[in-house]
Amino acid sequence: DSGVTQTPKHLITATGQRVTLRCSPRSGDLSVYWYQQSLDQGLQFLIQYYNGEERAKGNILERFSAQQFPDLHSELNLSSLELGDSALYFCASSVSGLEETQYFGPGTRLLVL
Amino acid sequence: AQKVTQAQTEISVVEKEDVTLDCVYETRDTTYYLFWYKQPPSGELVFLIRRNSFDEQNEISGRYSWNFQKSTSSFNFTITASQVVDSAVYFCALSEWADSSYKLIFGSGTRLLVRP
Repeated sequence: DSGVTQTPKHLITATGQRVTLRCSPRSGDLSVYWYQQSLDQGLQFLIQYYNGEERAKGNILERFSAQQFPDLHSELNLSSLELGDSALYFCASSVSGLEETQYFGPGTRLLVL
Repeated sequence: AQKVTQAQTEISVVEKEDVTLDCVYETRDTTYYLFWYKQPPSGELVFLIRRNSFDEQNEISGRYSWNFQKSTSSFNFTITASQVVDSAVYFCALSEWADSSYKLIFGSGTRLLVRP
């Protein structure tokens, strides 16, 4: 158990809908990262937050957004969902977002029908 | 651009065999970090090891060992006396420093099947 929690574990929804994925980092970690794992793109970095502020952006679609709250939990919002958004979404956390190890949560498996 | 190549898509071995998973990386950074993660069938990503670019010592942890060779830009992972529980997808990753932050660049993964 990495100490990173993600909810829900599974999510099934329809095209055009909006969903919110939630992540709680390990105790003491200030930085949260979101990654997407899909069959065609592999594991890709989406976005990073540090202590409530966006720090880095990767291949994140404009339909997707994220935020980190004062209690350091983070939410990833996916809207106008398409079939191709079906993937495993991981949250990871680290102490400061610098060179430390990122510890991953169990992931949320999203299926868009 | 940073890149991680895991050329072996899938490896199948019989229990108790030794197996080596290859990882080759490309980076222009002089300071960087390399990682291995394991993804068992249950789906979570489990951290195995982290090495920095200045430490080329090989590392052994139980049946696992890692060989880091800067000269060939490789960071290979060997499992000795493999077990069925080692069956998983293994990812090699490289840290990339950009926009005042580190993010991970993952290889495409190697699926290891250990047969009884």
